[in-house]
Amino acid sequence: EDQVTQSPEALRLQEGESSSLNCSYTVSGLRGLFWYRQDPGKGPEFLFTLYSAGEEKEKERLKATLTKKESFLHITAPKPEDSATYLCAVQPSTSGTYKYIFGTGTRLKVLA
Amino acid sequence: DTGVSQNPRHKITKRGQNVTFRCDPISEHNRLYWYRQTLGQGPEFLTYFQNEAQLEKSRLLSDRFSAERPKGSFSTLEIQRTEQGDSAMYLCASSPVFEANTEAFFGQGTRLTVV
Repeated sequence: EDQVTQSPEALRLQEGESSSLNCSYTVSGLRGLFWYRQDPGKGPEFLFTLYSAGEEKEKERLKATLTKKESFLHITAPKPEDSATYLCAVQPSTSGTYKYIFGTGTRLKVLA
Repeated sequence: DTGVSQNPRHKITKRGQNVTFRCDPISEHNRLYWYRQTLGQGPEFLTYFQNEAQLEKSRLLSDRFSAERPKGSFSTLEIQRTEQGDSAMYLCASSPVFEANTEAFFGQGTRLTVV
């Protein structure tokens, strides 16, 4: 069964304290892996798409990487405005389906 | 604003009533998705359309839920005889079909509270 597991569930960082969020996945073929940011009461906001092992994407203080079994979202020198829930999703390459399967997210709190 | 639009943003209804939500996708996005999200959980897939065709429905979706996308533009999600367990955020997303990137873009959601 296709599955996404994110860890840790929650993370508290001091401003400037770098860390990484993990997304482990089990999928029968990967069409794409996606990272989203979600603020309370809002819809998920798209951050990155990764397609193949070894691929990396960067945006400001965020960097996403992908291996054959997991993805990491590295946060360098975070600021309080980076506080949010970060969601990971996969889109299996199974024929006939284009749905996205989400993990439960990592709730990040960055303290000033 | 050319993003995904959902209405209403909030809905409070009494148990047993029917409710309908609307989603307007990004223009020219062929695929449209409905997800449900409860507190502390990730979005859970409900159904998706490619143009006007509903191509997949979650096995978790009860008969009280129905979705339409007439003419392949906006979509509606109806819940009949609402139950307290239906209380959640209902998210709509859209994505293009013939693009190199396959990411979906989400609306701000409709928060349903069943009392």
